[in-house]
Amino acid sequence: ETGVTQTPRHLVMGMTNKKSLKCEQHLGHNAMYWYKQSAKKPLELMFVYSLEERVENNSVPSRFSPECPNSSHLFLHLHTLQPEDSALYLCASSQSASPTDTQYFGPGTRLTVL
Amino acid sequence: AQSVAQPEDQVNVAEGNPLTVKCTYSVSGNPYLFWYVQYPNRGLQFLLKYITGDNLVKGSYGFEAEFNKSQTSFHLKKPSALVSDSALYFCAVRDVGFKTIFGAGTRLFVKA
Repeated sequence: ETGVTQTPRHLVMGMTNKKSLKCEQHLGHNAMYWYKQSAKKPLELMFVYSLEERVENNSVPSRFSPECPNSSHLFLHLHTLQPEDSALYLCASSQSASPTDTQYFGPGTRLTVL
Repeated sequence: AQSVAQPEDQVNVAEGNPLTVKCTYSVSGNPYLFWYVQYPNRGLQFLLKYITGDNLVKGSYGFEAEFNKSQTSFHLKKPSALVSDSALYFCAVRDVGFKTIFGAGTRLFVKA
């Protein structure tokens, strides 16, 4: 998990708040991913960026808005969330978006929506 | 559509004994298979992957996995378990698209 950092590590927010999650990779990779990990559910892919272009949007509600300003940084902007959005949000990166490339994960942001 | 199944929620083994964590998959094309491990309050760590070639893949921390095309399986193995191997293990599959599908995870307990 070294090489991919995420901030904050923990976040508590109300349903009317707006917050952002940040991910930074120091591996020189060109693809970045957001995943949601909920209790007792498989990891869910949310978004994929390749060379700063979004290439996958896995039917994610519009209250989640990703941003990839450059190949090293990825943000997830949050607004008007619901309690069921509480989860661990994981960022990952890979050399490219090729299916054979290994994804390297950050430590995650534990989000609690009150 | 691609899918991954990890049939066991939990596996218990004694330290020093061999361990196996099972994974079966379904994809329409060539499968690219991965194993990851997750320790408490941490992200996923890559263990090994199968892309092509030799069916026996060796990875980190003494783990290995065997790709079996006829049984569509990719079981994770280790000859001698350590207490420190106790964690949550995920199998994942990807085909030519951008989406990686993860299994539900198997919790491994290694007892001293």
